[in-house]
Amino acid sequence: DAKTTQPNSMESNEEEPVHLPCNHSTISGTDYIHWYRQLPSQGPEYVIHGLTSNVNNRMASLAIAEDRKSSTLILHRATLRDAAVYYCILRDVRAQKLVFGQGTRLTINP
Amino acid sequence: ETGVTQSPTHLIKTRGQQVTLRCSSQSGHNTVSWYQQALGQGPQFIFQYYREEENGRGNFPPRFSGLQFPNYSSELNVNALELDDSALYLCASSLSDRGNSPLHFGNGTRLTVT
Repeated sequence: DAKTTQPNSMESNEEEPVHLPCNHSTISGTDYIHWYRQLPSQGPEYVIHGLTSNVNNRMASLAIAEDRKSSTLILHRATLRDAAVYYCILRDVRAQKLVFGQGTRLTINP
Repeated sequence: ETGVTQSPTHLIKTRGQQVTLRCSSQSGHNTVSWYQQALGQGPQFIFQYYREEENGRGNFPPRFSGLQFPNYSSELNVNALELDDSALYLCASSLSDRGNSPLHFGNGTRLTVT
């Protein structure tokens, strides 16, 4: 089964960019790469997703490697509200299986 | 627009009992998936329902079952509860079962099995 690997934790400072990496070396051609984040006592919140090309939205940017075996979530200017556990997941075209990694706990320093 | 709602928020059951958890999907969403999240772990995919039929399942035994209703709300049933079933159960809805359809999660049901 395809799976994702993320660092357990990362730390950054407020108003600085943050780059959260994810490895998915066994990704298949039909897997979409999704990112979600989870605050304590809440369900995960959708951040961004992509297939092959880099993607931007109001929350973040997603940079996908050319071979698709890794991706990076970019928060352009971190705020204290961005402190959360970030999950990189693969969702196939029929979404019949969905794999969460362990997630990266992001700490933002004031 | 109403988001995904789950009920109850907390539940305590005894080993061997059965439990039913409920999920109301976001308006217009025809796909619901369920996840189990143990403390300190990432969510584990249980199964997915698309237009009232299960069309995907993770590595969970048959005592985990579900239903999706014509209004696309859903239930998760767990029989013969075990202590290891204690976890946060999350429901997510999406516009379709396609991989490019974002998931919208509820805040979960915290199940404690004693």
